[in-house]
Amino acid sequence: DIVMTQTPLSSPVTLGQPASISCRSSESLVPSDGNIYLSWLQQRPGQPPRLLIYKTSQRFSGVPDRFSGSGAGTDFTLKISRVEAEDVGVYYCMQLTQFPHTFGQGTKLEIK
Amino acid sequence: QVQLVESGGGVVQPGRSLRLSCAASGFTFSSHGIHWVRQAPGKGLEWVAVIWYDGSNKYYADSVKGRFTISRDNPKNTLWLQMNSLRVEDTAVYYCVRWADNRAMDVWGQGTTVTVSS
Repeated sequence: DIVMTQTPLSSPVTLGQPASISCRSSESLVPSDGNIYLSWLQQRPGQPPRLLIYKTSQRFSGVPDRFSGSGAGTDFTLKISRVEAEDVGVYYCMQLTQFPHTFGQGTKLEIK
Repeated sequence: QVQLVESGGGVVQPGRSLRLSCAASGFTFSSHGIHWVRQAPGKGLEWVAVIWYDGSNKYYADSVKGRFTISRDNPKNTLWLQMNSLRVEDTAVYYCVRWADNRAMDVWGQGTTVTVSS
């Protein structure tokens, strides 16, 4: 199984400042049909997860442009350009390249 | 609007069975694969199973293989997860999730809670 490892596990951020979360896969997410199926999800307190980014860098419909994704091979990053209060929650990376699909442990974003 | 609504959760003793349902609306159910993902209390997300849009393929996590069965009825826009031989460690919120053409999990239900306890 592909193991997804996120860092940091907790990220206190000042409002208006940037935030970055890293995700590393235990195997290269080999591109198939030109795409790397790496997604980022946000889970606000008491809510189900919500898709933010798919195929490494594609922003899902309705997601603010302060969220961006990048990466290749085994290293991926989610960046928030300017953190807002509504961004508080837990962020997960996940790979959909092979079964079983696997998630990172989650990174808790909180406001300082 | 596009929606997935889970039901069927509850409290059950170890070794017993439970069947979860997921009702879809607002999109062409028969065109999409559907996943089940679970989240134990205070823990992260765990992928459980997937079924292809036409039911032709199914995959399971090792932790549930042989005990859980995913199935669907496209004319009824409904998905099920039959859970047998339940264990304490199956306690979780279970989400059904739409599988988009771009392979993302793009629509999540609100979840249904399963508690396995004696």
